[in-house]
Amino acid sequence: DTAVSQTPKYLVTQMGNDKSIKCEQNLGHDTMYWYKQDSKKFLKIMFSYNNKELIINETVPNRFSPKSPDKAHLNLHINSLELGDSAVYFCASSQVPGRTEAFFGQGTRLTVV
Amino acid sequence: ILNVEQSPQSLHVQEGDSTNFTCSFPSSNFYALHWYRWETAKSPEALFVMTLNGDEKKKGRISATLNTKEGYSYLYIKGSQPEDSATYLCAFYLNTGFQKLVFGTGTRLLVSP
Repeated sequence: DTAVSQTPKYLVTQMGNDKSIKCEQNLGHDTMYWYKQDSKKFLKIMFSYNNKELIINETVPNRFSPKSPDKAHLNLHINSLELGDSAVYFCASSQVPGRTEAFFGQGTRLTVV
Repeated sequence: ILNVEQSPQSLHVQEGDSTNFTCSFPSSNFYALHWYRWETAKSPEALFVMTLNGDEKKKGRISATLNTKEGYSYLYIKGSQPEDSATYLCAFYLNTGFQKLVFGTGTRLLVSP
């Protein structure tokens, strides 16, 4: 039973399209995150949601928008995709940010062509 | 800019060797340090969450120590096995301003039979 699941695992799309990546956690955690693995393999946080409220919004383009229909879901919507958006995106969740471990989804490899 | 540095960048050892890696982080405003194990094509999995200076944690053959005053943590693997091959990430939890986990670039370990 997967704790944090995200779909799709692979996404290939053309420039200019709008796409969404879905994330669900069944751990009952209050906080969910989106991370981007950049070209240097760094994991960088994009967003953090706690009880459906955005508490972190890193310097990401406003083409990226997190949407959380409920505590167990945090979807990532991307408008007007650009070549530079190609990366692996990871969803994660934790119970007490910092004090408890983060659980990660398996990642979504986005390729923009 | 908050830097979390890990060394070495990569390491190749023989089965049975013991090894260790270093994570350096800011020594001020310490809140928590995490260690994660990240196998290729999988998602990062937590090893330890460390919060107190002098903490020493152990999980099987893997252990970690923490020195918050000087800003470093060591991860040790005793008697490395091929299945230990992975990238080991440390992450510093920044608890001021935009609260977030800041990841290092990782140490890539390869254990040969």
